[in-house]
Amino acid sequence: DVKVTQSSRYLVKRTGEKVFLECVQDMDHENMFWYRQDPGLGLRLIYFSYDVKMKEKGDIPEGYSVSREKKERFSLILESASTNQTSMYLCASRTGANSGNTIYFGEGSWLTVV
Amino acid sequence: GENVEQHPSTLSVQEGDSAVIKCTYSDSASNYFPWYKQELGKRPQLIIDIRSNVGEKKDQRIAVTLNKTAKHFSLHITETQPEDSAVYFCAAPTDSNYQLIWGAGTKLIIKP
Repeated sequence: DVKVTQSSRYLVKRTGEKVFLECVQDMDHENMFWYRQDPGLGLRLIYFSYDVKMKEKGDIPEGYSVSREKKERFSLILESASTNQTSMYLCASRTGANSGNTIYFGEGSWLTVV
Repeated sequence: GENVEQHPSTLSVQEGDSAVIKCTYSDSASNYFPWYKQELGKRPQLIIDIRSNVGEKKDQRIAVTLNKTAKHFSLHITETQPEDSAVYFCAAPTDSNYQLIWGAGTKLIIKP
């Protein structure tokens, strides 16, 4: 059973703070993703990574960066958190760079920036 | 590039009735259409998908239909039950076929 684990479920940060969201998957998946979920906007892709040390911008990368130093771990970084980054963040993984492969999601990290 | 529209945004049905959620897409080359279900506070999970070489696929009470000519696909849930209450997302591949473009989601409410 694939497991995608987001270590922080609920965070409250101050404006301007640096925020790290960590994600680990245990199925040796090559691809990993960070999405942002907001009501009425669906799932919007922030960044994705095809493999270790590789990263590609998604649809809304501004204000975010990522790190993939090990295959199982994909980190999302907010360099200077702002209130408009208050949202739910979903990490996901998938085997192989094919949209027809199942995407497995983590349970989400709720971030509030005050 | 691909654009996916999902309707309705909220759907309320009586328990036992059927529910239908529809998505339209823009790229005629798209060939894979999944549906994910997200229960309150839980992660989205794949519940059913369809590829462009078939027109319909069923799995117990859920089914997905695909109309390639009209570029739309729909999720059908029959004999709805309380555990069907969730947000449902459709998706379609981008032209690179590596990523999915997601619909905005439909909140399905099952009334007792």
